[in-house]
Amino acid sequence: SQTIHQWPATLVQPVGSPLSLECTVEGTSNPNLYWYRQAAGRGLQLLFYSVGIGQISSEVPQNLSASRPQDRQFILSSKKLLLSDSGFYLCAWSVRQGMSYTFGSGTRLTVV
Amino acid sequence: KNEVEQSPQNLTAQEGEFITINCSYSVGISALHWLQQHPGGGIVSLFMLSSGKKKHGRLIATINIQEKHSSLHITASHPRDSAVYICAVYGNKLVFGAGTILRVKS
Repeated sequence: SQTIHQWPATLVQPVGSPLSLECTVEGTSNPNLYWYRQAAGRGLQLLFYSVGIGQISSEVPQNLSASRPQDRQFILSSKKLLLSDSGFYLCAWSVRQGMSYTFGSGTRLTVV
Repeated sequence: KNEVEQSPQNLTAQEGEFITINCSYSVGISALHWLQQHPGGGIVSLFMLSSGKKKHGRLIATINIQEKHSSLHITASHPRDSAVYICAVYGNKLVFGAGTILRVKS
């Protein structure tokens, strides 16, 4: 069966520090992978999506970047965190865009 | 105006009540999703609809493509249904509503 793992679950980081959040999918090949952010009281916002290894599309210009070094691995990074990067980050996958999405358990990031 | 509007924003119900959450959207879509987010943050996909109606247990989702409207119904609500319910529509990308916070009291 397909599963998605996302870690860590919570993270407190100082301003200016780097960030690396990892997401891995099991039980499927060549998934579409997504990073979303949910700010307090707001809907989910798509940050990045990937349709294949090394293929990253950015939806919102910001302080973050994403990489897909392997078929089922998606990494969200920042070189220097800002206070405004605080939020709830979710990884998700789907067989195709628009089709049923499976979400990870999320990472709550607090930048202090 | 947001592309996806949900109502109500907050809903408190007594156990056993019939609950309806509404979702209206303004763009052409090929699919609509209903998602459930529990207090811990994890999100579970409940339904994906492109037309008509789907039922799973006590949950029913309907969509009216012409009116650009969908509803999520919960029959015989229970405290464990307390969660945030999120509507999302797919046109050329997935766009999310802000969510409806549901609290079911025993």
